Amino acid sequence: GAGVSQSPSNKVTEKGKDVELRCDPISGHTALYWYRQSLGQGLEFLIYFQGNSAPDKSGLPSDRFSAERTGGSVSTLTIQRTQQEDSAVYLCASSSQGPTTGELFFGEGSRLTVL
Amino acid sequence: AQSVAQPEDQVNVAEGNPLTVKCTYSVSGNPYLFWYVQYPNRGLQFLLKYITGDNLVKGSYGFEAEFNKSQTSFHLKKPSALVSDSALYFCAVRDISGGYQKVTFGTGTKLQVIP
Repeated sequence: GAGVSQSPSNKVTEKGKDVELRCDPISGHTALYWYRQSLGQGLEFLIYFQGNSAPDKSGLPSDRFSAERTGGSVSTLTIQRTQQEDSAVYLCASSSQGPTTGELFFGEGSRLTVL
Repeated sequence: AQSVAQPEDQVNVAEGNPLTVKCTYSVSGNPYLFWYVQYPNRGLQFLLKYITGDNLVKGSYGFEAEFNKSQTSFHLKKPSALVSDSALYFCAVRDISGGYQKVTFGTGTKLQVIP
């Protein structure tokens, strides 16, 4: 597709279960970002991938959160032993790199509800 | 470190009146600045950006923003507000020093246009 694709769009899980959220960026975009948006809150940076460089994991809130990006394309955000405070919308975005570009293209998000 | 401040949680304006949504930023190098809009239950959409050149930037849906380096501001403006402009607006900054591409978002400002 032409845009950033995220799945699932909605996920309801029980406390303590693991979840995986997937992001398929725009073809050719070298940068990929994960953000978290809690109800009524702004965007919280989680992790950033740029090409083959080591990812910037500085925003991950705990060691229960991890992410990988395979082949420089699809990314998976994994949350282990989910807690109720993990409930949020997880947004993925991709971007091309260049001197006159730079805007992020966002997916529709994955809404996670932890019961 | 880079940061963005949106001092107003909510801005109310009457339909047909001009609107301003404020944003100030802090970066160590030269900034790329962005505005995004989020309609209810949707992902973020790019509105406009400042990279270099003319300080007044025009974007989608009649919005514009003015880059002011001395005041480190990038306020979003529109001459005549529409009810359909009601949404959540995010300012973002990317510090391009050294090629680093991390994008930091403000906390968002809810714009309410009153008929």
